[in-house]
Amino acid sequence: SFELSQPSSVSVSLGETVHITCSGDPAAIRYACWYQQRPGQSPVLIIFQSNKRPSGIPDRFYASSSGNTATLTISGTQSADEADYFCQAWDSRTAYAFGPGTKVTVL
Amino acid sequence: DAQLVESGGNLVEPGKSLRLSCVASGINFDGYGMHWVRQAPGKGLEWVASVSWDSASKSYVDSVRGRFTISRDNAKDRLYLQMNSLKSEDTAVYFCTKGGSASFGTYGLDLWGQGTAVTVSS
Repeated sequence: SFELSQPSSVSVSLGETVHITCSGDPAAIRYACWYQQRPGQSPVLIIFQSNKRPSGIPDRFYASSSGNTATLTISGTQSADEADYFCQAWDSRTAYAFGPGTKVTVL
Repeated sequence: DAQLVESGGNLVEPGKSLRLSCVASGINFDGYGMHWVRQAPGKGLEWVASVSWDSASKSYVDSVRGRFTISRDNAKDRLYLQMNSLKSEDTAVYFCTKGGSASFGTYGLDLWGQGTAVTVSS
C-alpha cells in the first residue's frame, strides 16, 4: 500500500494564488487526481491524470507533478473555493488511496 | 443529467450486516468501473472497493477485505456493497462513485452520489 500526505490547512487572500501539495510514491503521484469538497456536499473531481480538467472546471484550477509531489494551484481565488481538497492516486497493486485533505480558507 | 443515488444506510449493531445499493441514471453504466468511497464523521475520504465494468476485477481496501463484497447488475444499472461483520470503525457516509474508465486507473472518480449514512453502534 502507499500513503499520501497533504498539509492540513492553508489560507489565501481573496484573489490571490494558493498552492496545495500532495506527497507520496512517485509512480502513483505521477497521475494524481484532485477533488474539491465544499461543506455538506459530495466531492467533485477537478483534476485527473495529473493536469487534466473535467469539463466545467474553470482554468483557475491547474495542477502538476514532479518527483514525489503533486501540486494543485488555485489562481484568482474566490470565496466559493473555500473547501476541502483531497489528492488521490492509483497503482496497480493497491488500487486507490486518498490524501488526508487540505482545508482552504479564503481570507 | 447523470446521477447516482445511494440507499440502504442505517443504524446497525456491531457484527451485523447491511447492503448498500446505488442506482445510476443518465450514464452508460456498463461502460465504467464503479467504486465505493466512505467518509467517517469529520474525517477525510477513504476508498473502500472497486469493480470493473464487467465484474471481472474487484479490489478492496485491506480493512474491509473478507467482510465487504462489491457487485453490480448492469441490466439494472445498479451497484451494491454487501457489508458483513460490521465494526464501529465502519461508521461513515458511503459514496457511490463512477470511474472515468472501464476498469481501474488514473482517470479519477468523476461522478459522485449524495452518500448514504451507516452507523455501527450498539
